[in-house]
Amino acid sequence: GIQVEQSPPDLILQEGANSTLRCNFSDSVNNLQWFHQNPWGQLINLFYIPSGTKQNGRLSATTVATERYSLLYISSSQTTDSGVYFCAAVSSGAGSYQLTFGKGTKLSVIP
Amino acid sequence: EAQVTQNPRYLITVTGKKLTVTCSQNMNHEYMSWYRQDPGLGLRQIYYSMNVEATDKGDVPEGYKVSRKEKRNFPLILESPSPNQTSLYFCASSREGRAGNTIYFGEGSWLTVV
Repeated sequence: GIQVEQSPPDLILQEGANSTLRCNFSDSVNNLQWFHQNPWGQLINLFYIPSGTKQNGRLSATTVATERYSLLYISSSQTTDSGVYFCAAVSSGAGSYQLTFGKGTKLSVIP
Repeated sequence: EAQVTQNPRYLITVTGKKLTVTCSQNMNHEYMSWYRQDPGLGLRQIYYSMNVEATDKGDVPEGYKVSRKEKRNFPLILESPSPNQTSLYFCASSREGRAGNTIYFGEGSWLTVV
């Protein structure tokens, strides 16, 4: 099956600092998504990023599919960025669409 | 407002007592799925549905059943709950079961089986 590994498992940042989260995945995936789970448990879709780079405000993501990894960059972190960041690898085909999540990176941004 | 609604949000039940967690979406989405989230394990897919009357197993289907009789609803059924099914459950939907579609999650259902 699909393997997804995230690092680091935990990260503590001072407000205003930058960070990079990493996601490694096996070679059987079609594409990659990033999600944020806020401290109240709500899950939000951040990026669909099968390859290349996308940016949304202070967040950006890069996926290098040939090397089977994706990076999520958070710049000028704010306390509202706290929570758990998940990447999910997508395996799809005729009549199937499955997501396999990594175990997440727990980010704590302190004032 | 586009949303995925799960009920109940919180439930404590006893071993063996059948229960159903409902999931409804108002976006006319074809694709729906269920996940469970456990500490240290992330989210794991239980079942998914590409469309009405089309369901398939995810990574951890044992002990669960689903049905998709209409497009908007995708209930998760625990016929005989056991303590190892204590978890946080999420329902999700997207326009299609294809790459590139935004996935919308419900708010989660905390289930405790004693």
